[in-house]
Amino acid sequence: AQSVTQPDIHITVSEGASLELRCNYSYGATPYLFWYVQSPGQGLQLLLKYFSGDTLVQGIKGFEAEFKRSQSSFNLRKPSVHWSDAAEYFCAVGAADSSYKLIFGSGTRLLVRP
Amino acid sequence: DAMVIQNPRYQVTQFGKPVTLSCSQTLNHNVMYWYQQKSSQAPKLLFHYYDKDFNNEADTPDNFQSRRPNTSFCFLDIRSPGLGDAAMYLCATSRGTGPGQPQHFGDGTRLSIL
Repeated sequence: AQSVTQPDIHITVSEGASLELRCNYSYGATPYLFWYVQSPGQGLQLLLKYFSGDTLVQGIKGFEAEFKRSQSSFNLRKPSVHWSDAAEYFCAVGAADSSYKLIFGSGTRLLVRP
Repeated sequence: DAMVIQNPRYQVTQFGKPVTLSCSQTLNHNVMYWYQQKSSQAPKLLFHYYDKDFNNEADTPDNFQSRRPNTSFCFLDIRSPGLGDAAMYLCATSRGTGPGQPQHFGDGTRLSIL
């Protein structure tokens, strides 16, 4: 069965430091992968998506993610974190067995130190 | 801007008193979804509409129902809310179904049960 694992429940980084949030997926074929961000009290906003092609994907707000098939990973990165990046980040994969469902990871909460 | 709008942002109801949450969209998307999100958890899909076709998730309680009177609006009805139904309810839309279709989320309605 498909699944998404985000191994880090919380991550704390200093403002201006680099960031990497981990995501591992279980999927039989080429996955459709997404990263969403959720600020406190708000809905989810799409940061970026990967379907095929270039394995390094650029998103909004200066984020990027790299698809590594050999590691079944789709890690999210940002070279310099801003205080406004503090939020919950969800990795998701488009389900193969039902065409509408997103399989979400459990999320990683990012805290930013001033 | 085209968007997904949820009203109200905060809703308080009494135990057992029916409540309706609303969602509207200006994206003209075919598909509308309702998710339940409890604290520090990933969103959980309750059901979705593809145009007028209703699709219920197998584990969605009978207490939860939905209506979609037209393309733009979708409602979530909770017939007899229990304390366990206190959560954030997220509405989302997508242009169609398919594992590559990103979903666009509203800011959610936080439901409290007294």
